[in-house]
Amino acid sequence: EPEVTQTPSHQVTQMGQEVILRCVPISNHLYFYWYRQILGQKVEFLVSFYNNEISEKSEIFDDQFSVERPDGSNFTLKIRSTKLEDSAMYFCASSEALLSSGSRETQYFGPGTRLLVL
Amino acid sequence: AQKITQTQPGMFVQEKEAVTLDCTYDTSDPSYGLFWYKQPSSGEMIFLIYQGSYDQQNATEGRYSLNFQKARKSANLVISASQLGDSAMYFCAMRSYGGSQGNLIFGKGTKLSVKP
Repeated sequence: EPEVTQTPSHQVTQMGQEVILRCVPISNHLYFYWYRQILGQKVEFLVSFYNNEISEKSEIFDDQFSVERPDGSNFTLKIRSTKLEDSAMYFCASSEALLSSGSRETQYFGPGTRLLVL
Repeated sequence: AQKITQTQPGMFVQEKEAVTLDCTYDTSDPSYGLFWYKQPSSGEMIFLIYQGSYDQQNATEGRYSLNFQKARKSANLVISASQLGDSAMYFCAMRSYGGSQGNLIFGKGTKLSVKP
């Protein structure tokens, strides 16, 4: 069964360093997302991406964050200068369709990248 | 404002019994989708079940069913015949389309523990 994959599974970095989190969405999906979950808290939306551009972003997704689809399969999240409060689990998700499409709008999540900023 | 509320931080259930996890939602949009995800201790988010706001019947997926009461704005997850492997965090989430691209809004989750 197709699945979303993410690398690395864990990343430890020093404050101020740049990190790139990588995701391979399900191949026939067109809509891509990043979410984060700070330890013990609920999952929060960061950004959605469609047709090679950002569709929507949350207040969390400030100028330190960027997303890119560098080729036909990868979808990346870059944090330019990490802060301690960026420590979290980062989830990539993808969906086949978007609005009022029944179950085709379901977002499937990758296993996550656990980021620790020291 | 859109909101998901899960009022049960933790639940216990005996193995082989059924359990209901509560979820209420708030949206002014007539078109929305409701989802449940399972998060085991390993951390991944596993999709369980989907309910569309215009669906006439309650969704079912194997041992999972969704008790959808639109007038009360509730979407409770029912797990029948609980298994030890069902022990996990469970998140209710919603996509609502009024002026939005439909990102998911999550509740705080319910931690389910299945006792042998």
